[in-house]
Amino acid sequence: GENVEQHPSTLSVQEGDSAVIKCTYSDSASNYFPWYKQELGKGPQLIIDIRSNVGEKKDQRIAVTLNKTAKHFSLHITETQPEDSAVYFCAAPKGSGYSTLTFGKGTMLLVSP
Amino acid sequence: EAQVTQNPRYLITVTGKKLTVTCSQNMNHEYMSWYRQDPGLGLRQIYYSMNVEVTDKGDVPEGYKVSRKEKRNFPLILESPSPNQTSLYFCASSLSWPTDTQYFGPGTRLTVL
Repeated sequence: GENVEQHPSTLSVQEGDSAVIKCTYSDSASNYFPWYKQELGKGPQLIIDIRSNVGEKKDQRIAVTLNKTAKHFSLHITETQPEDSAVYFCAAPKGSGYSTLTFGKGTMLLVSP
Repeated sequence: EAQVTQNPRYLITVTGKKLTVTCSQNMNHEYMSWYRQDPGLGLRQIYYSMNVEVTDKGDVPEGYKVSRKEKRNFPLILESPSPNQTSLYFCASSLSWPTDTQYFGPGTRLTVL
């Protein structure tokens, strides 16, 4: 089945710096890669996703890149702000007919003022 | 307001005492699922449901039951809770497939003594 590895597990940056979180997956046929953000005390929330027919997608300060050959995808956050501090999860589809998502173990991002 | 609700939000119980965590969504979503979140392990799926009366096991189904009698509700049942089921639980729903945006509930923190 699909296996998703996420790195790093923790990331500390200064406000204004960029942050990059990387995930690798095992199923070469996977075609959908979302990123979820979980703020303290809340449930995860989708922030951006990418499908396998594109290599990059941007939404203001966040972007996701996909390298299907290497089977990895990354979340890029530019000009980080303290409110970006949260746990970020990547995911990929798995199971018969891709009926479920498997999540990475998460990255705790801390942005210091 | 479109949302996923869970009850209770916090629960402390004792080993062996049956409990139910309710989950309800008001978005007419077909797909619903339950996850547990543990430190260092990320989000792991317990059960999912593609639509009414159709449920299937996720990655960690042991010790849990679910039912989907109505589209909006997807309760999680622990028939005989044990301390290793102490965790943070999330219910999620999406329009028709896990590759649609998943909307997570606020979480239920369960402690089994």
